[in-house]
Amino acid sequence: DQQVKQNSPSLSVQEGRISILNCDYTNSMFDYFLWYKKYPAEGPTFLISISSIKDKNEDGRFTVFLNKSAKHLSLHIVPSQPGDSAVYFCAGTSGTYKYIFGTGTRLKVLA
Amino acid sequence: DTGVSQNPRHKITKRGQNVTFRCDPISEHNRLYWYRQTLGQGPEFLTYFQNEAQLEKSRLLSDRFSAERPKGSFSTLEIQRTEQGDSAMYLCASSLGSEAALSRYGYTFGSGTRLTVV
Repeated sequence: DQQVKQNSPSLSVQEGRISILNCDYTNSMFDYFLWYKKYPAEGPTFLISISSIKDKNEDGRFTVFLNKSAKHLSLHIVPSQPGDSAVYFCAGTSGTYKYIFGTGTRLKVLA
Repeated sequence: DTGVSQNPRHKITKRGQNVTFRCDPISEHNRLYWYRQTLGQGPEFLTYFQNEAQLEKSRLLSDRFSAERPKGSFSTLEIQRTEQGDSAMYLCASSLGSEAALSRYGYTFGSGTRLTVV
């Protein structure tokens, strides 16, 4: 039972353009969603979160959109930079302490 | 504070051997978590401590696995009689106990211990 799905294993984007990473979920009880970024040989680092009562949260170049009716969220990175190249995981939580992660999307930003 | 520290970074062991990993969380964090990540998958929850109390264990954590957090500081994860299927990255994370802070800011993960069982 995969409660959080990231159907695109990889994405390539030109530097300066927009990167859009998608995530779908099945658990209606999730009340927070988070995005993490992971570089090779490092642990995941927190990027941005959104409450289920919001439809958008923005932090600098990063914006997360939530469509509850579609059970879909997306992460927009504008403009994309080569340093953004990493694996991005979305996660949902209903108990605040336990996250259910997706399988990740590998983003490559081409210079 | 240098963040969440995990040791060793890499461990190669023969099938059937016991291994122990250590995690030192951020000092003011009272919550500590263990996750496991296999190739091509996202991190999967294993267990969670609030101070020294282990509050939840995943079904993924068979009876060969045991975790402790004596005195609510560092934590250890032991795997007995390792199997090849235990090969994975074991991630430790910590956070403050505030639900609001946790939901809005997430946990801080360590760099992980990569276990290879041969």
